Amino acid sequence: NAGVMQNPRHLVRRRGQEARLRCSPMKGHSHVYWYRQLPEEGLKFMVYLQKENIIDESGMPKERFSAEFPKEGPSILRIQQVVRGDSAAYFCASSAPSGLQSYEQYFGPGTRLTVT
Amino acid sequence: DQQVKQNSPSLSVQEGRISILNCDYTNSMFDYFLWYKKYPAEGPTFLISISSIKDKNEDGRFTVFLNKSAKHLSLHIVPSQPGDSAVYFCAASGASWGKLQFGAGTQVVVTP
Repeated sequence: NAGVMQNPRHLVRRRGQEARLRCSPMKGHSHVYWYRQLPEEGLKFMVYLQKENIIDESGMPKERFSAEFPKEGPSILRIQQVVRGDSAAYFCASSAPSGLQSYEQYFGPGTRLTVT
Repeated sequence: DQQVKQNSPSLSVQEGRISILNCDYTNSMFDYFLWYKKYPAEGPTFLISISSIKDKNEDGRFTVFLNKSAKHLSLHIVPSQPGDSAVYFCAASGASWGKLQFGAGTQVVVTP
């Protein structure tokens, strides 16, 4: 399966714990994006990364949230000291290098985070 | 600041008929538009896209129309099938920006 992979699919955390969400892009894709969907809302952009670089983090909350896409391994979205308002579906998407003129983003199945 | 708007939260259509989904945007810098389909508990699936240099793009049962002067695009699905029942999201991008801005979605129900 060459699609975008995310794990875990479901994650339950107590308030104050840390959540780590992982994303492996499609084969050949070097651009990764994270989006969040709150209940009854559309998807909201959080962050755009390329290998070892954060390109755009304009949608990331200023505190507790961080993201990385290391040279080796998956992209990680990390939420520290989770609160109930962080409960949402977090989707990762990937796209081909921009030189290929392909702007379509392909999404993973999402991680559903529940904070109790 | 909602720059991409889907004003119809839901649409019901009979199987075999045409589904028309609408989307409006406010940012004239958007130059690439995409439609995604989403089933519950799954990620969005890419359907079709259109560049701002075109006014129509067709792929099988799906056609997207773009009216730049009106800042409006629409997705036509014909004929509609029961498997088309899902939430459809319109998204827009400035090609050099990377990020997509999504509308709130339209729930489509195709009835027999």
